[in-house]
Amino acid sequence: AQSVAQPEDQVNVAEGNPLTVKCTYSVSGNPYLFWYVQYPNRGLQFLLKYITGDNLVKGSYGFEAEFNKSQTSFHLKKPSALVSDSALYFCAVRGVSYNTDKLIFGTGTRLQVFP
Amino acid sequence: GAVVSQHPSRVICKSGTSVKIECRSLDFQATTMFWYRQFPKQSLMLMATSNEGSKATYEQGVEKDKFLINHASLTLSTLTVTSAHPEDSSFYICSASLRGGGLAGGNEQYFGPGTRLTVT
Repeated sequence: AQSVAQPEDQVNVAEGNPLTVKCTYSVSGNPYLFWYVQYPNRGLQFLLKYITGDNLVKGSYGFEAEFNKSQTSFHLKKPSALVSDSALYFCAVRGVSYNTDKLIFGTGTRLQVFP
Repeated sequence: GAVVSQHPSRVICKSGTSVKIECRSLDFQATTMFWYRQFPKQSLMLMATSNEGSKATYEQGVEKDKFLINHASLTLSTLTVTSAHPEDSSFYICSASLRGGGLAGGNEQYFGPGTRLTVT
């Protein structure tokens, strides 16, 4: 079975500091991994994805994520947080070997960036 | 980028009535559309997967007769909540995957802005 864990309900960081939002996954075989962001009362916006190739993936708004196969992790990072980054972040996974387009979402991590 | 719209953004209806929510991919053809439900401060719960021209595939525990899904074209899917009750009040979000957009299964989903349904 596929699953995603986001161990932190909330992450607090000061503006200008680096941020990390954690995600670990479980799939059979290789994964496709995604990060999405949700602002209040809005749908999800795609940030970045890992399909294959370079383990460090760069995405929108200065975010990046590193695929670590040995630790089955795909943590989201940004070198310098902005107050406007405050939102709800979702990690999602799909197993390459699964014959489905469905994504499995984590429970979400609320990022709060303080001025 | 790929844009997905939903209509209406908010709807209030009386218990027992039916409500239709539209999901459109505006600038691309969607192989597959998905319907999610999100409760306050919770993750997305996939309700069903919709492929153009075929019947939707519902997730376990989702009543297909209550949540009717029609995917009439590559740019439009509709979700009809039939005989709505207060417990159906929720935030409903659709998403769409690009058709032929690259490595099979590796296409990201593009999400609509969501529809807030309140049943009184």
